Amino acid sequence: EVQLVESGGGLVKPGGSLRLSCAASGFIFSSYSMTWVRQAPGKGLEWVSSMSGSSGHSSYADSVKGRFSMSRDNGKNSVYLQMSSLRVEDTAVYYCARIGYDTAPDYWGQGTLVTVSS
Amino acid sequence: DIQMTQSPSAMSASVGDRVTITCRASQGISNYLAWFQQEPGKAPKRLIYSASSLQSGVPSRFSGSGFGTEFTLTISSLQPEDFATYYCLQHNNYPYTFGQGTKLEIK
Repeated sequence: EVQLVESGGGLVKPGGSLRLSCAASGFIFSSYSMTWVRQAPGKGLEWVSSMSGSSGHSSYADSVKGRFSMSRDNGKNSVYLQMSSLRVEDTAVYYCARIGYDTAPDYWGQGTLVTVSS
Repeated sequence: DIQMTQSPSAMSASVGDRVTITCRASQGISNYLAWFQQEPGKAPKRLIYSASSLQSGVPSRFSGSGFGTEFTLTISSLQPEDFATYYCLQHNNYPYTFGQGTKLEIK
């Protein structure tokens, strides 16, 4: 059974940093690209970043480019999102998801809440 | 960037109704379109991939169609558990973009 468990969310001040983690199980982790998607309170879904399984090539939304960095450790079956220079508008639930072979997210974690507030 | 225009943004319907939600892409995306269902406080769940393929375990009352720029999600006979918010997603290229969502409420 595919499982994705996010952690690391919390309250942080504007300009601060936070590192989210996503632990994966139930599939061959290194064979899949992974992605982060966020959802601000009461709003829709927004794609944040994606990273390939083997090459580690990553892509980012313009809204986070230069501030967020995605990484993965295939030995630990985990993916990370390092967030810096956080803004109030980064407040959201952050979901980790696996990207299926059709290139769309298929399995999602339960999400972790990041609140940026002074 | 590819813009996804989803309509309607909200609708009310009754159990047993047939419902159609539409997504329009600002440029052609072949069949790189997925549909997700999200219940309040929960993670999105994929219903349809590659525009028209039913995700394993999803009831057959859900169906998708379309290619290029026009896509639809149809629920043939609404059940009580279907009242939720639905999103389309284009994954033809980065940045991936979601539609604004359709909140389906009970009439």
